[in-house]
Amino acid sequence: NAGVTQTPKFRILKIGQSMTLQCTQDMNHNYMYWYRQDPGMGLKLIYYSVGAGITDKGEVPNGYNVSRSTTEDFPLRLELAAPSQTSVYFCASSYRDARDTQYFGPGTRLTVL
Amino acid sequence: GQNIDQPTEMTATEGAIVQINCTYQTSGFNGLFWYQQHAGEAPTFLSYNVLDGLEEKGRFSSFLSRSKGYSYLLLKELQMKDSASYLCAVSDSNYQLIWGAGTKLIIKP
Repeated sequence: NAGVTQTPKFRILKIGQSMTLQCTQDMNHNYMYWYRQDPGMGLKLIYYSVGAGITDKGEVPNGYNVSRSTTEDFPLRLELAAPSQTSVYFCASSYRDARDTQYFGPGTRLTVL
Repeated sequence: GQNIDQPTEMTATEGAIVQINCTYQTSGFNGLFWYQQHAGEAPTFLSYNVLDGLEEKGRFSSFLSRSKGYSYLLLKELQMKDSASYLCAVSDSNYQLIWGAGTKLIIKP
C-alpha cells in the first residue's frame, strides 16, 4: 500500500495563478482532510470530506476549493494565488472521524511570489 | 475559543528522559492525540488517550487528565532520532482535530 500520496512536492506560483494539489489514498478511508502548516504554527484544517460527494469547510477555507468524486481522490484547488497561501499543505485520511488515527501524505511546499 | 498550549522548544540529552506537556481548552473532548513530525516530513501517529491515565508504548508514554485539561508525552532513553516536533491534538465536540503549534525537541549527545 502506498498510503497517502500527494503531488507535486514543490511548486512556485505567481500571484493570481491557479493550481490543483492532488491527493490520493489507497486505504479505502472514508474521511479525507486538507491542512496547511505555516512555520511555528499548528496544522489548520482547510476542507474535509466524510465520503465521496460530501465536502465541508474547515477553519481556513477562503481561497480554496475541493471536490471528492471518488473515495480515493481529494484534490485541492487554489484560485487566484496570493502570498498568504505560501505554506506547506498536507493531505490526510482516516477510516472514520477525528477519533481515529489520521495518516498523512508527504506534503506539498507551495511558494507564491 | 479553542486553545492548545505546548512549549515551543525543549532540549534534552541523549539517554535521558523528557516530558512534553500539553494543556487544552476545547468545546467538548473526544480524545487527545500525540503525533511526531521530523523536519520536512509529515506527522506520524504516536498515541491516543480518551480515558484518564497513563498509556505506555515502548519508550513512549502518554498521560491524560480530563478534569485538568492536561496531557503529557514522556520519552525515555532518548535517542538522536527522537529529535523532532511533537504535536498535541484534541478531538472536539464536532469530532474535528484542534492542533497545538508543536514542541520542537532537540537532543544533544
